[in-house]
Amino acid sequence: GEDVEQSLFLSVREGDSSVINCTYTDSSSTYLYWYKQEPGAGLQLLTYIFSNMDMKQDQRLTVLLNKKDKHLSLRIADTQTGDSAIYFCALRGAGTASKLTFGTGTRLQVTL
Amino acid sequence: SQTIHQWPATLVQPVGSPLSLECTVEGTSNPNLYWYRQAAGRGLQLLFYSVGIGQISSEVPQNLSASRPQDRQFILSSKKLLLSDSGFYLCAWSVWGKGYEQYFGPGTRLTVT
Repeated sequence: GEDVEQSLFLSVREGDSSVINCTYTDSSSTYLYWYKQEPGAGLQLLTYIFSNMDMKQDQRLTVLLNKKDKHLSLRIADTQTGDSAIYFCALRGAGTASKLTFGTGTRLQVTL
Repeated sequence: SQTIHQWPATLVQPVGSPLSLECTVEGTSNPNLYWYRQAAGRGLQLLFYSVGIGQISSEVPQNLSASRPQDRQFILSSKKLLLSDSGFYLCAWSVWGKGYEQYFGPGTRLTVT
């Protein structure tokens, strides 16, 4: 099956950039997503990228995809305390029902 | 716009009791529906998904079952809860096309005592 790995924890200072990384094994992934989860809440879709793209920018968020290395990253510019949360990458493989495989999640802590 | 509801928000149930969690989606037709379980704030485990009324696929054999009695209603059930059923249960929906992205409900925190 698909393996999707993320580092467990990242701490950054307010105002700095955060980079959250994700590595995966399935090269047939068609769409790759980033979700944010705040304590006690559901997952919020932040952005997604199609596999034929290398980069996507959406306001403070930049997604980079390196298909050769099977590496996905999410950069948050000017990180704020409200960005503190768990961030999940997720991949959709080829096939039906659009099932997603989620990473293990990275807890982002923003300090003052 | 589309919205997804889950209830109850929290639930405390004794071991051996039945379970019924409900999820409904508004503002879309014929969505794909999903039940996930999340333990300790990590790692989503897909439990069931449905591509249409009465069509349920189980991903993990377990003490739970799912049903889809209406197009936009998805129910997670158990006849007898186990301690290991405790967790955070999330419902999600998606539609064919565009980015096939999934949208999640607010979740139900289940504690089995």
